[in-house]
Amino acid sequence: DAGVIQSPRHEVTEMGQEVTLRCKPISGHNSLFWYRQTMMRGLELLIYFNNNVPIDDSGMPEDRFSAKMPNASFSTLKIQPSEPRDSAVYFCASSFSDYYEQYFGPGTRLTVT
Amino acid sequence: DQQVKQNSPSLSVQEGRISILNCDYTNSMFDYFLWYKKYPAEGPTFLISISSIKDKNEDGRFTVFLNKSAKHLSLHIVPSQPGDSAVYFCAARGSGGSNYKLTFGKGTLLTVNP
Repeated sequence: DAGVIQSPRHEVTEMGQEVTLRCKPISGHNSLFWYRQTMMRGLELLIYFNNNVPIDDSGMPEDRFSAKMPNASFSTLKIQPSEPRDSAVYFCASSFSDYYEQYFGPGTRLTVT
Repeated sequence: DQQVKQNSPSLSVQEGRISILNCDYTNSMFDYFLWYKKYPAEGPTFLISISSIKDKNEDGRFTVFLNKSAKHLSLHIVPSQPGDSAVYFCAARGSGGSNYKLTFGKGTLLTVNP
């Protein structure tokens, strides 16, 4: 079975550009999570969707960050405009329901110069 | 303010010996704990978990111990194998409306030497 799929795996962009990260959760999972990993702060939850509806976006750092889940098999995390401090690894995870263990994708390594 | 702490950034053990990874937490509302393992260039993968109503959970070579009074848990790997070399994250979850939310430690890099 395919796991969580993320694209791109690596993204290098210049400050001020728009960045869009993509995620396809595991089929049948109704919970989707976006995380950010940095050396300073570790793994942090950015936003949580349940049945395609954003439930908790309290971890989204600023208005420059937005996330959507138009259907059960696709989600995007957008940063506009990007800044060097957004450089991090962004993980998408999904689970059968919010109480079950989360399955992580391979991550997108974002570098903003 | 870190609610889940893994105070050892790294640990090195010999193949065949026991690896013990430690984790401390401060939030008494946490009632479920998980360990994830992460290889380079991959996402974390779930390893083992324990509910706060238990003090031990075992799965093959992996055992997690929970000491609620000390707010401490540990992961034991016996015997350790070179393929266990990875970063191990401890995570905790509360009950009720926020039971989806995992709080992670910063991880411990385990190196198992042949």
